[in-house]
Amino acid sequence: AQSVTQPDIHITVSEGASLELRCNYSYGATPYLFWYVQSPGQGLQLLLKYFSGDTLVQGIKGFEAEFKRSQSSFNLRKPSVHWSDAAEYFCAVGVHEGRNQFYFGTGTSLTVIP
Amino acid sequence: DARVTQTPRDKVTEMGQEVTMRCQPILGHNTVFWYRQTMMQGLELLAYFRNRAPLDDSGMPKDRFSAEMPDATLATLKIQPSEPRDSAVYFCASGLAGARDEQFFGPGTRLTVL
Repeated sequence: AQSVTQPDIHITVSEGASLELRCNYSYGATPYLFWYVQSPGQGLQLLLKYFSGDTLVQGIKGFEAEFKRSQSSFNLRKPSVHWSDAAEYFCAVGVHEGRNQFYFGTGTSLTVIP
Repeated sequence: DARVTQTPRDKVTEMGQEVTMRCQPILGHNTVFWYRQTMMQGLELLAYFRNRAPLDDSGMPKDRFSAEMPDATLATLKIQPSEPRDSAVYFCASGLAGARDEQFFGPGTRLTVL
């Protein structure tokens, strides 16, 4: 069965430090890959997505993610975290197997300390 | 600025009562999703529609939940009768038909069943 794994439930970083959030997927072919962010009390917002081409994709708010086929990973990174980045981050995949299916990871909660 | 809207934003009800949540997708989007988010289960896909037809409702408890799209501008999720375990935040999202397409999330309906 297809799945999306975010191994880190919660991460704490200092403001200005770099960030990497991990995401692994289980699927036979390359799925379409997404990162969403959810601020408290809000719905999810797309940060970036990958479906082909350059394996390093740039998103909004200074985020980027790298697709590594050999590791079935799509990790999210940011070189310098801002306090406003504190939120819940979800990795998601879209696959087409007869019909479209969508899977979200369990999320990683990010705390930023001053 | 096109957005998905959801009503009500908050709902408190008593066990056994009927609850109806409404969603207005972004104009031009032909796919609508319903998700439930809880601390224990994370984000769960309940159902999704394309061109107003249900494509997948396998995540939805059939005995008490029902989802419909009376027209292209309105999606509804109904719970009858409601139970305390239904307490959660329910999100509606809309998008285009492909597995590679972004989903645009509404702000959610926070449901509390006493």
